[in-house]
Amino acid sequence: EVQLVESGGGLVQPGGSLRLSCAASGFTFSDYYMEWVRQAPGKGLEWVGRIRNKARSYTTEYAASVKGRFTISRDDSKNSLYLQMNSLETEDTAVYYCARLLTDKVNTLSYYYMDVWGKGTTVTVSS
Amino acid sequence: DIQMTQSPSSLSASVGDRVTITCRASQSISRNLNWYQQKSGKAPKVLIYAASSLQSGVPSRFSGSGSGTDFTLTINSLQPEDFATYYCQHSYSTVWAFGQGTKVEIK
Repeated sequence: EVQLVESGGGLVQPGGSLRLSCAASGFTFSDYYMEWVRQAPGKGLEWVGRIRNKARSYTTEYAASVKGRFTISRDDSKNSLYLQMNSLETEDTAVYYCARLLTDKVNTLSYYYMDVWGKGTTVTVSS
Repeated sequence: DIQMTQSPSSLSASVGDRVTITCRASQSISRNLNWYQQKSGKAPKVLIYAASSLQSGVPSRFSGSGSGTDFTLTINSLQPEDFATYYCQHSYSTVWAFGQGTKVEIK
């Protein structure tokens, strides 16, 4: 069974740091790009960032709201994805989801979407 | 960055109704548009990708259309399990974004 399981959430003070993990199973993790998406309480989904695979040199992209504070990494030998969050702000309080990025071809063009999601881990930034 | 705007923000409908949700991009995104369904307390689930391609296992009452800047998600014959929040999301550039969501409630 294809599965993603997030962990590492918790309560942290403003200005603090936290590292989230996402354990993958049931598929060849190293082949895929991986995403982080978050959802603040009672709010909509916000894309956080992406890490590509080894073939694309593990390059990353970030939303403007987290760029310079958050870092996405992966360990393919452990089938794991990470989100290092520094200088946390109260606005970072959210459920954080990891997701697998799938590519499909439609009429010879490639399209990208998140096809597998974890259940999320909750991060609360508060004093 | 590309912004996504959905309308309406919420709607009330009855079982059996046809429901239409629209999504507009701040610039052309060709057909790089996905739709997700999220039920309360659960992770999102992809319904439609590439504007109109139905994800495997998703009921055929869900359909998507559009290209460029204007897109539509249609649910034909709304079922009890369809009451949820729906999000559009573009995958056109390296930085992605979601719409603000449309909550479909029971009338």
